[in-house]
Amino acid sequence: AQKVTQAQTEISVVEKEDVTLDCVYETRDTTYYLFWYKQPPSGELVFLIRRNSFDEQNEISGRYSWNFQKSTSSFNFTITASQVVDSAVYFCALHVLYNTDKLIFGTGTRLQVFP
Amino acid sequence: DSGVTQTPKHLITATGQRVTLRCSPRSGDLSVYWYQQSLDQGLQFLIQYYNGEERAKGNILERFSAQQFPDLHSELNLSSLELGDSALYFCASSHSGGGQETQYFGPGTRLLVL
Repeated sequence: AQKVTQAQTEISVVEKEDVTLDCVYETRDTTYYLFWYKQPPSGELVFLIRRNSFDEQNEISGRYSWNFQKSTSSFNFTITASQVVDSAVYFCALHVLYNTDKLIFGTGTRLQVFP
Repeated sequence: DSGVTQTPKHLITATGQRVTLRCSPRSGDLSVYWYQQSLDQGLQFLIQYYNGEERAKGNILERFSAQQFPDLHSELNLSSLELGDSALYFCASSHSGGGQETQYFGPGTRLLVL
């Protein structure tokens, strides 16, 4: 069975702190895709990144970075120098290529960045 | 802006009623997905359509149905509504479906059943 675990329900930081959001996934398939989405207070789901299971290179996009480690089945997301606008719920999701086309979401981590 | 549109943004109705949620995918996308986000169940996949045909079904209740029209917009019909159906309903789209593609989400329809 496929599963995504985001053990951190809520994280609070002060602006400019670095913060890492954890994501652990389970699947027996060798081909799969991992995603992160952001849900700000306005409610929409904003795509952040997609990573396939054959590409373990870390990715950096501005203040955002992602660490994919197949050995630990983790796909963690780090925000460097956090800002108040980063306050949102962040979801990690899994898509197994040879399953239905659905995304399996974790329960989300609510990040609150205080000024 | 993801390019996926959903109407209405908010919907308040009573138990036992029927509502229709509408979704227009991004230009060129053939696949439409519906997800439900509730406090107790989190984000759950309901159903997927590809080019007018149902492709996959998730945890969709029998009281719920969906379709995708020739112009590729989709509608999710919820009937005999119960209090527990109150949730945020998202539509997403991708070009042709499959895990190698990103699903882009609309802003959601917030349904409140009283």
